[in-house]
This record gives sequence, C-alpha cells and structure tokens, in this order.
Amino acid sequence: AQSVTQLGSHVSVSEGALVLLRCNYSSSVPPYLFWYVQYPNQGLQLLLKYTTGATLVKGINGFEAEFKKSETSFHLTKPSAHMSDAAEYFCAVSDRNQFYFGTGTSLTVIP
Amino acid sequence: ETGVTQTPRHLVMGMTNKKSLKCEQHLGHNAMYWYKQSAKKPLELMFVYSLEERVENNSVPSRFSPECPNSSHLFLHLHTLQPEDSALYLCASSQWGKSYEQYFGPGTRLTVT
Repeated sequence: AQSVTQLGSHVSVSEGALVLLRCNYSSSVPPYLFWYVQYPNQGLQLLLKYTTGATLVKGINGFEAEFKKSETSFHLTKPSAHMSDAAEYFCAVSDRNQFYFGTGTSLTVIP
Repeated sequence: ETGVTQTPRHLVMGMTNKKSLKCEQHLGHNAMYWYKQSAKKPLELMFVYSLEERVENNSVPSRFSPECPNSSHLFLHLHTLQPEDSALYLCASSQWGKSYEQYFGPGTRLTVT
C-alpha cells in the first residue's frame, strides 16, 4: 500500500516569507502526486498535480512543487506568503483509482 | 451548477433521526467517493463507486448506507448515528483510471446530538 507523510502538522511563516510544506511518499510504482488546499468549512481544492513529464510543477496562487524521485519527495513551495494562503494543505498520492492523503499541514501566515 | 455540489451544507440531527446527504457532480465523471473528515484526524475514505457499482467499503458501520443511482448522483443515508459521527462529510468525483485527480464538493457539516 502507498502512504504519504507530511512533516509538520503546523507551519507558521511571516507575510512575504518563503512557504515550504514537506511531503514524502512511499510507492512501489511511479506515483501521481497532488497538493490540495482546504479553507475553513470548505472542500478540498486542487492546487497542482504531477503525473508525468516536467518534475517542477506550477499550480494556482503562485504555488509550485518539485517531484524528486530519488528523495521520494514532493514538497510545496511559494516564494512569498500572503495572508490569504492561511489554510490546511494536503499532499496525496494516487495509483489512478485510489487516493492516499497525508494528515495535512496547517499554514499560519503572520502579518 | 458546476463542479461538485453537496446538500445540505449543514445538518443537525438527533441519534434517532434518519437523514440523507446528497452529492451531484457536473463534470461527466464516472467515479464518486464519500470521505469523512473529523477534527485532528486524517481524511477517511468511506465508499467508492465506479460506474455506479460499489468497489470499496472501508469497514464503515452499517448506520451509513450509500446509494449511487447514476454516475452523477451519490447519496449517503444516515440512521441511528452516534455523537462521534459528527464531522465534515466530503464527496468527490473522478474519471476512473484516466483523469487522476479527484474533485471535491464543499462538504456537509454534520452534528449529531
């Protein structure tokens, strides 16, 4: 079975600072990788995805993530945090039909 | 309507009530999912339907009963729930085996009193 580990259940950054949310996965086959964002009392919104091709993936709201096979990682970054980025972020891996979610990282942005 | 919709958005029910949650997807997908999201717990996959047939049931108590009448609609029937069933229930859809990502609805916030 596949699994996803998100290091740090809570991350705080200052407004304008770099955002780095960590995700590692275990997979015996080439994975499909995703980041989702969830705002309070809302569903999950797809931020970005990696399926094949370029390992640096750009998503919405200025986020990007890099697939590193050798490190089995798919960390999410944003150069400059904005107050509106405060939310819960979930990393997920898929084998096409089944999704495996991480436990989530709550991002706080300090003014 | 676009994307995945869920009704109601909020529901308060007693332990002896019977209620249903509804999910509708407007994306032309052929797979639908129910998830439970409790505070401080990981997302729990409850049910998966592909082509209107249930393909997975992750040992969910029988007080939760899913129904998928067609590829666009998914229901979760609730009866004799417990307070620990209070959670956010999320519906998602995808294209089975092809389009890899799942699209989520806004969820139903359920409170069992």
